[in-house]
Amino acid sequence: AQSVTQLGSHVSVSEGALVLLRCNYSSSVPPYLFWYVQYPNQGLQLLLKYTTGATLVKGINGFEAEFKKSETSFHLTKPSAHMSDAAEYFCAVSYTNAGKSTFGDGTTLTVKP
Amino acid sequence: EAQVTQNPRYLITVTGKKLTVTCSQNMNHEYMSWYRQDPGLGLRQIYYSMNVEVTDKGDVPEGYKVSRKEKRNFPLILESPSPNQTSLYFCAAVSSYNEQFFGPGTRLTVL
Repeated sequence: AQSVTQLGSHVSVSEGALVLLRCNYSSSVPPYLFWYVQYPNQGLQLLLKYTTGATLVKGINGFEAEFKKSETSFHLTKPSAHMSDAAEYFCAVSYTNAGKSTFGDGTTLTVKP
Repeated sequence: EAQVTQNPRYLITVTGKKLTVTCSQNMNHEYMSWYRQDPGLGLRQIYYSMNVEVTDKGDVPEGYKVSRKEKRNFPLILESPSPNQTSLYFCAAVSSYNEQFFGPGTRLTVL
C-alpha cells in the first residue's frame, strides 16, 4: 500500500525566509508525486508534480521540489516566503494511472511579518 | 473555462436521510475521484472511477456509494448518513498522470 508522511503539521517562517516542507513516501515502484496548496476556505490546486524525467521540478508561485529516490522524499521549498504563501500544503503519491492517490495529512504554513 | 462543479456547496441534514452530492466536469478526463477532508487527517479517498461504469473503492468507502453513468458526472450518494460523515467533501477530475483538478468542495453536516 502506498503512503505519505508529511513531517510537521505546522511550520512557521518569517517573511523572506526559506520555506521547507517535508514529504516522504513509501514505494516499491517509481511514484508520481504531487504538491497541492489549499488557501483558507478554498479548494486545492496543484503546485507542482513529478512523473518522470528531471528530478527537480518547478511549480507555481516560486515553489520547487526535488524527487530523491534514495531518500524516498519529495520536499517542497521556496527561497523566500511571502505573506500570501500562508496556506495548507498537501503532498500526494500515486503509482498507477488508474486514479488511486494517497495524500499526506497536510502542513499548515504560517508566514510571520 | 475548464472546471469541476459540485452541488450543493453546503448541506445540513439529519441522520438517515438519503442525500446525493453531484459532481460534474467539463475537462473530458477519464478518471474522477471523491475525497473527504477532516482536520488533521488530510484528504482521504472515498471512491474513484476509471471510466463510465468502472469504479473502485478508495481508502474510506464505507457508508458511501457512487455511480458513473456518464463521463462528465460522478455523484456521491449517502444512503443513510450518520454524524461521523460530517466532513468537507471534494470531487476531482483526474488526468492520465493522476493530477487532480478539484471542485470547490461541499461542506456536509449530519445532525
